Amino acid sequence: DIHLTQSPSSLPAFIGDRVSITCRAGQDINRFVNWYQHKPGTAPKLLIYSASTLQSGVPSRFSGSGSGTEFTLTISSLQPEDVATYYCQQSYTALLTFGGGTQVEI
Amino acid sequence: QVQLQESGPGLVEPSQTLSLTCTVSGGSISSGTYFWSWIRQPAGQGLEWIGRVYKSGGTNYNPSLASRVSLSVESSKNQFSLQLRSVTAADTAIYYCARHVVAAGLDYFDSWGQGALVTVSS
Repeated sequence: DIHLTQSPSSLPAFIGDRVSITCRAGQDINRFVNWYQHKPGTAPKLLIYSASTLQSGVPSRFSGSGSGTEFTLTISSLQPEDVATYYCQQSYTALLTFGGGTQVEI
Repeated sequence: QVQLQESGPGLVEPSQTLSLTCTVSGGSISSGTYFWSWIRQPAGQGLEWIGRVYKSGGTNYNPSLASRVSLSVESSKNQFSLQLRSVTAADTAIYYCARHVVAAGLDYFDSWGQGALVTVSS
């Protein structure tokens, strides 16, 4: 299994802050990383795929970067509706795995 | 826009079989080159991919669950289903169904259901 480690696990921030979440892989996974936003009781939402491609309809304040073993999800200006848990996920191997999640709170 | 909705019993007795169905609306389960996946999240834990099924019925499973899992698709009802046998308390989780895009170097879940809580208890 490819293990994904997200940091931090909890991220308190203020409205308007630039926030970044890191996802580290246990081995080189090229750019096969996706990012999801999850609010309790709702369907998880795809934000970024292939490390840096913004999913259609997702606000441009979200961006992704990285390759190899280190990846970053950045929110350029945090909004109230961005309070959620964020997960990275790798699709480099047939056994798909997720990071442990980062809870963003205001 | 495609939407997915999980349904099934919320309570399953230990050693029995957990059965869930995902109904797809806003698009045909038989169109395109999508896979259809199940993912679960035990309380306080991370997300675990269970497996995926293609419109043809072909499947791929997480090795950790493969001996107990069966996925199937029923195109006429635009549904796909999960069966997990011999469940224990460790299988208590929120179960999500998702559409899985796999094409030309792309591989991601682009639509998810809201999730169904299944508790394993007597």
